[in-house]
Amino acid sequence: TQLLEQSPQFLSIQEGENLTVYCNSSSVFSSLQWYRQEPGEGPVLLVTVVTGGEVKKLKRLTFQFGDARKDSSLHITAAQPGDTGLYLCAGVRNQGGKLIFGQGTELSVKP
Amino acid sequence: SAVISQKPSRDICQRGTSLTIQCQVDSQVTMMFWYRQQPGQSLTLIATANQGSEATYESGFVIDKFPISRPNLTFSTLTVSNLSPEDSSIYLCSVERTLQDPSTDTQYFGPGTRLTVL
Repeated sequence: TQLLEQSPQFLSIQEGENLTVYCNSSSVFSSLQWYRQEPGEGPVLLVTVVTGGEVKKLKRLTFQFGDARKDSSLHITAAQPGDTGLYLCAGVRNQGGKLIFGQGTELSVKP
Repeated sequence: SAVISQKPSRDICQRGTSLTIQCQVDSQVTMMFWYRQQPGQSLTLIATANQGSEATYESGFVIDKFPISRPNLTFSTLTVSNLSPEDSSIYLCSVERTLQDPSTDTQYFGPGTRLTVL
């Protein structure tokens, strides 16, 4: 059983389209992180959310932490080919606990 | 944040040999971890590298196969022993809780080591 369900696992869209990636769980997380990984590189941290209902923006990326801290979403507006990569959500259930990863979303943005 | 380097960045090894991967951080950190990422997959935690004591391994990973050292707060090594083709993967180290920000659970990752076993 996957503790953090990430969807969709694959997404192929055209440049300029919007998209949303979801990360869901039945468990509460004390914090949740989103990473982006390009081929041949390690995951790069995009954002950490810690407060229920929190919304953070990073240029065209909007991250939301659910009110109950059980789910999160990443929304990309007007996707560009440079957004292509593997997006990973990862959460910590208790402060000091292990980082639990979702399955990842492989995003391809075609020009 | 922390800047993390790994050596080697990639290697091709023969079956039955071993590969040692080094992870160096530019600042002292409390926690260091080793992960495996198989092609197209998410990350699986191998172990937590503990400074001055034996690493803490996750279910399915054992010290004989994945010996880990952590002699200080900025450096760790992971050895993958008795290699088989099933060990072909990307191995990543990560760190958490820099001395500048000891309370955060945020992890920062190295660039990874791509291992191919023939």
